[in-house]
Amino acid sequence: EPEVTQTPSHQVTQMGQEVILRCVPISNHLYFYWYRQILGQKVEFLVSFYNNEISEKSEIFDDQFSVERPDGSNFTLKIRSTKLEDSAMYFCASKDPYEQYFGPGTRLTVT
Amino acid sequence: GDSVTQMEGPVTLSEEACLTINCTYTATGYPSLFWYVQYPGEGLQLLLKATKADDKGSNKGFEATYRKETTSFHLEKGSVQVSDSAVYFCALSDFGAGNQFYFGTGTSLTVIP
Repeated sequence: EPEVTQTPSHQVTQMGQEVILRCVPISNHLYFYWYRQILGQKVEFLVSFYNNEISEKSEIFDDQFSVERPDGSNFTLKIRSTKLEDSAMYFCASKDPYEQYFGPGTRLTVT
Repeated sequence: GDSVTQMEGPVTLSEEACLTINCTYTATGYPSLFWYVQYPGEGLQLLLKATKADDKGSNKGFEATYRKETTSFHLEKGSVQVSDSAVYFCALSDFGAGNQFYFGTGTSLTVIP
């Protein structure tokens, strides 16, 4: 069964460093998403992506975040200069006409 | 704006006990409602969904009914098993508002033998 994959499963980085979280969506899906979950809090929408551009973004998705689909299979989330409060689980999702499919998540720890 | 309020956890039950996890929502349109489950170390898996009022979603013995009058989508199971131990997330998606999902905080369920 097709599934969304994410790498790495756990990333530890120092404050101020850039990180890139990678996702491989299901191959025939056209809509892609990033969500995050700070420990003990809600899963929060960050951004949606369609037709090679951002279609919607939340207030959380400020200038330090960017997304890219560099090669037609990967979908990446970049955080330019990480802060302690960026520590969270980051989920990628892709969507067919009926539902979203979520990846297993990347746990980002900023020290 | 749209939001989901979910019963606080953690919940600990004995095997074969009844489960109810409460979920209420606020939405401006006509959302679809979902329950996702996250087993330890895994991603979010769709458990069940309902797309309109009075629909009942069901899967693996779990059920939830879309109640527009009470804006609720409570998750129920008559007899839980140890293998049901996981975190359960209620979510809504108002497809007229961009397809994004709004999640509750999650309820951790532990079933003990």
